[in-house]
Amino acid sequence: AQSVTQPDIHITVSEGASLELRCNYSYGATPYLFWYVQSPGQGLQLLLKYFSGDTLVQGIKGFEAEFKRSQSSFNLRKPSVHWSDAAEYFCAVGSRGTDKLIFGTGTRLQVFP
Amino acid sequence: DTAVSQTPKYLVTQMGNDKSIKCEQNLGHDTMYWYKQDSKKFLKIMFSYNNKELIINETVPNRFSPKSPDKAHLNLHINSLELGDSAVYFCASSQKGGGTGGELFFGEGSRLTVL
Repeated sequence: AQSVTQPDIHITVSEGASLELRCNYSYGATPYLFWYVQSPGQGLQLLLKYFSGDTLVQGIKGFEAEFKRSQSSFNLRKPSVHWSDAAEYFCAVGSRGTDKLIFGTGTRLQVFP
Repeated sequence: DTAVSQTPKYLVTQMGNDKSIKCEQNLGHDTMYWYKQDSKKFLKIMFSYNNKELIINETVPNRFSPKSPDKAHLNLHINSLELGDSAVYFCASSQKGGGTGGELFFGEGSRLTVL
């Protein structure tokens, strides 16, 4: 069965620092991988997605993620965090032929000035 | 102009009551979903509809009944509400289905509190 693990429940960084949010998945075939962001009181917005091809994908707001098949990981990175990046971040995995996305439990990001 | 809109945004009700949440999307998408987010922020799919046809029903109690009058609308009706139904319910839509490559567009959520 598919599953997604986000090991970090809560991360705090200083504004301007680099960021890496971890995501590990469990899936037998090549997964479709997504990162979503949820600001307080809002719905989820897609940051980036991986389906195939180049394993380093670029997203909105300066985020990128790298698919590493050998580690079953899809970590999200940003070189310099802004205070407006404070939010909840969700990794998700999908598969060809289904409409079902499996979400991780989320990582809450706090940014200090 | 909101792409996926849900009403109401907040709902407070007593145990045993029946309530509905409405969702509309103006993106022209074929697939719509209901997700439930619990107090620990865990998001779980409940239902998906493709062009008014039920595609996914994730072992949700039959007190929950989705209805899709047309492909732009997917409503959620809940009978005999229980305390455990308290959560934020998100409606979403996609052109191709999230698992086949389509991006999910989410509404802002409807926070249901059952007392």
